[in-house]
Amino acid sequence: QVQLVQSGAEVKKPGASVKVSCKASGYTLSSLYIHWVRQAPGQGLEWMGVFNPSDGSANYGPKFRGRVTMTRDTSTSTVYMELSSLTSEDTAVFYCARDSEGSVDVWGNGTTVTVSS
Amino acid sequence: DVVLTQSPLSLPVTPGQPASISCRSSQSLVHSDGNTYVTWFQQRPGQSPRRLIYKVSNRDSGVPDRFSGSGSGTDFTLKISKVEAEDVGVYYCMQGTQWLPRTFGQGTKLEIK
Repeated sequence: QVQLVQSGAEVKKPGASVKVSCKASGYTLSSLYIHWVRQAPGQGLEWMGVFNPSDGSANYGPKFRGRVTMTRDTSTSTVYMELSSLTSEDTAVFYCARDSEGSVDVWGNGTTVTVSS
Repeated sequence: DVVLTQSPLSLPVTPGQPASISCRSSQSLVHSDGNTYVTWFQQRPGQSPRRLIYKVSNRDSGVPDRFSGSGSGTDFTLKISKVEAEDVGVYYCMQGTQWLPRTFGQGTKLEIK
């Protein structure tokens, strides 16, 4: 079945960067876009950007532009999201999710990132 | 950007009773291709979101038929005909008509009375 499996929890200091992975299985990664979504503790879902695994292009939300980079490794069907200049406000669960015809149909298991000095 | 406003934000429901969540958009969500890309997700405590409904009213495989979606233009509704204990969680609407950015409603927390 289609799955998106994300990397494990991270603890980072303010000012550092974090790189989260999202490994796809059960379908061809290049066939569908991947979105990244942030969820701060007790808060709602916040769209960060979308990545095209076919050509490696990305569109980033204005709030994250300049701090986020999305990449892929086609040999392992893995997409990455790197967020730099972390602050305590970046403490959150980060999700990857597969695009599907104007929707999102499959979500990753989430990666908790804690930013603390 | 499209702004989605959900109401209510908190929804206490007695088991067996119906529940309804509204999602209103700041602009029409009818796409130029004729489709309306409104999705509903359920997020149970400690879990990833799960898609329930796509394109306004299409239920995903495995989703109980007590869940239904309706609406058009700027007003959309998720209904649960008879709430069960396992329905506890937060429900979000999302639009995909404006390709980017994707936007979500604030979420509606459903709890059992």
